[in-house]
Amino acid sequence: GAGVSQSPRYKVAKRGQDVALRCDPISGHVSLFWYQQALGQGPEFLTYFQNEAQLDKSGLPSDRFFAERPEGSVSTLKIQRTQQEDSAVYLCASTRGRGSYEQYFGPGTRLTVT
Amino acid sequence: KNQVEQSPQSLIILEGKNCTLQCNYTVSPFSNLRWYKQDTGRGPVSLTIMTFSENTKSNGRYTATLDADTKQSSLHITASQLSDSASYICVVAWGAGSYQLTFGKGTKLSVIP
Repeated sequence: GAGVSQSPRYKVAKRGQDVALRCDPISGHVSLFWYQQALGQGPEFLTYFQNEAQLDKSGLPSDRFFAERPEGSVSTLKIQRTQQEDSAVYLCASTRGRGSYEQYFGPGTRLTVT
Repeated sequence: KNQVEQSPQSLIILEGKNCTLQCNYTVSPFSNLRWYKQDTGRGPVSLTIMTFSENTKSNGRYTATLDADTKQSSLHITASQLSDSASYICVVAWGAGSYQLTFGKGTKLSVIP
């Protein structure tokens, strides 16, 4: 594929449900990032992978949030027992090398918790 | 706390006019500053990336400036087009790995005919 893809594009969950958001980075990209973007705000960092290693998860807001990238390619962000404050757009980005010099973003998944 | 402030919050201009967006930051240790364009419902797309030693960088009709002493940056858009309507986000990378990013809230630009 030409760019970063994310699925689903939209997700509505009832409070208390678990959700899983998928990110397909650009093929061969080493680094992968997850961000949370609330309405009218800039994205905020959640977590960072270099290949399959999760090097930084300091932005995850609670232990209900979990991310993985088991084979160093596709990544999944899982949110357990969703709450209304989890409603946001979740963006994924990837970069060719280590670090984040040129990040390519996916279109995001808009999560609405009712 | 690392912060990036942008102004104005929103801006409406006529097609063909120029405009300048502002960004102030308090981020340490500074690595680089980027400007992104984010269309509604899409992910951000990089316009420019500037390191500490770069004062100006252009990408077509977009010109970014950086004053590392005053910690200010601007994005100038020349001869605006309807397709320039979007949010423009100032982002500062910091930290030893240069992967930590602090995002501004963005300036929402509307270009009208």
